Amino acid sequence: NAGVTQTPKFRILKIGQSMTLQCTQDMNHNYMYWYRQDPGMGLKLIYYSVGAGITDKGEVPNGYNVSRSTTEDFPLRLELAAPSQTSVYFCASSGDRGRDQPQHFGDGTRLSIL
Amino acid sequence: ELKVEQNPLFLSMQEGKNYTIYCNYSTTSDRLYWYRQDPGKSLESLFVLLSNGAVKQEGRLMASLDTKARLSTLHITAAVHDLSATYFCAVDMLGYGNKLVFGAGTILRVKS
Repeated sequence: NAGVTQTPKFRILKIGQSMTLQCTQDMNHNYMYWYRQDPGMGLKLIYYSVGAGITDKGEVPNGYNVSRSTTEDFPLRLELAAPSQTSVYFCASSGDRGRDQPQHFGDGTRLSIL
Repeated sequence: ELKVEQNPLFLSMQEGKNYTIYCNYSTTSDRLYWYRQDPGKSLESLFVLLSNGAVKQEGRLMASLDTKARLSTLHITAAVHDLSATYFCAVDMLGYGNKLVFGAGTILRVKS
């Protein structure tokens, strides 16, 4: 059981480039989330989804976009990379029991914008 | 707006000592989670606290929740080096989407 899988694990981008961070889960979870973690800080919610075809903004959505065409996949897109988007990005998922379960996290994508 | 504060932000302990990490939050919630993160790694769930007065224990760690005081504690008993990590509390906003607000984290270093 792989859980939540994120790719790539590391990436360096130039300012203005675009990229997609991939996230897939094999637990049949409806709820999925994207967070960013800056050094010495907690996690900030970027976007979330409660099921296929449904996405919503979190606390820090500017500069990002998401889609959810299947239950398994929840990619995060950076359109015009900026140095402020240098961070570690975590994808998470949780099941239909919702709050009775913790969110399960992927291993993260470490992204540097230069 | 829900705000979550942890203290201390950094804790250096001797092995064998006891200590408590505090997690305060600003608005009503009765759902709180504790996670552990090792350097360069993902977040691992430690405890899920689902009601006022909830207490959970696993090994040398014990977590509790007081929803009236809007306070959760993570108590460490007889610390060992393997407990060195960053600990986060996360509070459920109780709204649509089961969204969480995380504290800034407590970096715990246990010295031999």
